Amino acid sequence: QKEVEQNSGPLSVPEGAIASLNCTYSDRVSQSFFWYRQYSGKSPELIMSIYSNGDKEDGRFTAQLNKASQYVSLLIRDSQPSDSATYLCAVTSSNDYKLSFGAGTTVTVRA
Amino acid sequence: NAGVTQTPKFQVLKTGQSMTLQCAQDMNHNSMYWYRQDPGMGLRLIYYSASEGTTDKGEVPNGYNVSRLNKREFSLRLESAAPSQTSVYFCASSEWQGGTEAFFGQGTRLTVV
Repeated sequence: QKEVEQNSGPLSVPEGAIASLNCTYSDRVSQSFFWYRQYSGKSPELIMSIYSNGDKEDGRFTAQLNKASQYVSLLIRDSQPSDSATYLCAVTSSNDYKLSFGAGTTVTVRA
Repeated sequence: NAGVTQTPKFQVLKTGQSMTLQCAQDMNHNSMYWYRQDPGMGLRLIYYSASEGTTDKGEVPNGYNVSRLNKREFSLRLESAAPSQTSVYFCASSEWQGGTEAFFGQGTRLTVV
């Protein structure tokens, strides 16, 4: 079983809409959760980190974590064409501290 | 401040050749990682080093070896390259054992023919 699963996409949203990205993980004692954005041909860059249950907001981005359901999500409000990218969910396993990634969800924002 | 530097950026190998991908970070990070990225597969962990002096296998270690030369440098070696190792390789580092943000190098695009 893959450790980190993301909705495969691609996801197409109109400009100004909300993009919703989902991620589930298999290790019940995972500790740290990250969302990375990767533009085509570029390296991943961190956009959000979340460590405890609940919501965390940073500008137009909101990360939500529910450890009981082993679920983490990312909402992008007021989506812009510049948000068009692949979004990668990453999780740290508490028993060996390796950083594992999901397959990514490609988002396209239509102008 | 260069961050994470990988060399080379591009490489073409013939099947059976060997090569080493170099990675260096100047952020005094403890943990370093090697990933490969194939279309639709996300980032798959090859090897990681939680701290200087330790290395561990990730999801896809077969065909690769690593060396944590010192705190700054973490190299990835392909002893006998195969076409299945054609991929984009990323090195990353984080302050401690995956619990903080990982910073990525610019990637190495490797083609094995």
